[in-house]
Amino acid sequence: DVVMTQSPLSLPVTLGQPASISCKSSQSLVSSDGNVYLNWFHQRPGQSPRRLIYKVSNRDSGVPDRFTGSGSGTDFTLHISRVEAEDVGFFYCMQATHWPSFGGGTKLEIK
Amino acid sequence: QVQLVQSGSALERPGASVKISCKASGYTFTNHVLAWVRQVPGQGLEWMGWINTNTGNPMYGRDFTGRFVLSLDTSVTTAYLQILSLKAEDSAVYYCSRGSNFDSWGQGTLVTVSS
Repeated sequence: DVVMTQSPLSLPVTLGQPASISCKSSQSLVSSDGNVYLNWFHQRPGQSPRRLIYKVSNRDSGVPDRFTGSGSGTDFTLHISRVEAEDVGFFYCMQATHWPSFGGGTKLEIK
Repeated sequence: QVQLVQSGSALERPGASVKISCKASGYTFTNHVLAWVRQVPGQGLEWMGWINTNTGNPMYGRDFTGRFVLSLDTSVTTAYLQILSLKAEDSAVYYCSRGSNFDSWGQGTLVTVSS
């Protein structure tokens, strides 16, 4: 099984400041078709998860451009250029190259 | 637009079974697998498995074999998760999600197992 390790576990951020979340996989996420199926999700308190980013760096429809995904191989990062109040909640990375697995989550809170 | 609407909360006794539904609309049902994800309160997301909506063939995650059953009724574009012989540790929110990359999610179904 592919283990996804996120850091930090907790991320206190001042409004308007940038933030980054790291996600490392225990195996390469390069698929046999050449794609890298690494996705990022946001879950606000009391809500379902919502996909933000798919295949490392592609933003889903309606996702603000202050969210950017990057990385390759086994190391990936979600960047938020300017944190807003609505970003509070948990962020999860997930790989779907192999049988799906999620990272443990990063809790973003406003300082 | 894509919608996944799940059945309501359930309170069950240990040893009983529960069947959760996930009604899909807004897209061609058989074009995407339907996945299930568990979230124990205060914890993260776990992939439970998915079902091929074309063939009806389910695939289960390693920790979800035996008591967990995925099924379909394509005539009503609905997928089901049944949990048999419920245990207290099955208490969680269960989500359905579309596709192998989880692009849309249901609202979640809270299952509480308590005597």
